[in-house]
Amino acid sequence: AQSVAQPEDQVNVAEGNPLTVKCTYSVSGNPYLFWYVQYPNRGLQFLLKYITGDNLVKGSYGFEAEFNKSQTSFHLKKPSALVSDSALYFCAVSPRGGYQKVTFGIGTKLQVIP
Amino acid sequence: NAGVTQTPKFRILKIGQSMTLQCTQDMNHNYMYWYRQDPGMGLKLIYYSVGAGITDKGEVPNGYNVSRSTTEDFPLRLELAAPSQTSVYFCASSYEGGGGPVSGNTIYFGEGSWLTVV
Repeated sequence: AQSVAQPEDQVNVAEGNPLTVKCTYSVSGNPYLFWYVQYPNRGLQFLLKYITGDNLVKGSYGFEAEFNKSQTSFHLKKPSALVSDSALYFCAVSPRGGYQKVTFGIGTKLQVIP
Repeated sequence: NAGVTQTPKFRILKIGQSMTLQCTQDMNHNYMYWYRQDPGMGLKLIYYSVGAGITDKGEVPNGYNVSRSTTEDFPLRLELAAPSQTSVYFCASSYEGGGGPVSGNTIYFGEGSWLTVV
């Protein structure tokens, strides 16, 4: 069965500093990997996804994520954090091939401190 | 540019009451989903549909029912509300084009419905 682990409940970072939100996954075969962001009292918004090709994926709002197959990781990064980045971040995975169920992590709360 | 629209935004139910959460999407997506979100638990799939007239259970279907009579609409029915159904509910949709590399299963979410059962 596929699974996603987000090992940190919360990540605190000072404004202007680089940020990393960690994600590891387990899935049969090659995965599709996603990051979503949820602001308070809102739905999840798609940030970026890895399908194939370049291991470094660039997404919305200056975020990027690096796919590392050997470490089965897909960490979310941003070079310089903004206070407005404070939100709940979800990593998700699905196998390839036809429709496959998407499994979400439990989320990591990012707090950017002014 | 509506995307996925769900109503109501907030609702308080008494134990044993019934209600329907409405969901509609205007993106012509074939797949639709209902998730619930509980603190510290992430998202759990309740039901999903791969097209009009076809629905299937997700991880936590007990106490819920769905129907999909049109491509656009995917209502979620709670028949006998219980306190355990207090949660935030998200409707979502995606387009699944047959599993090619561009599919990627990107899911688009509604804004959520906050339900409290007392």
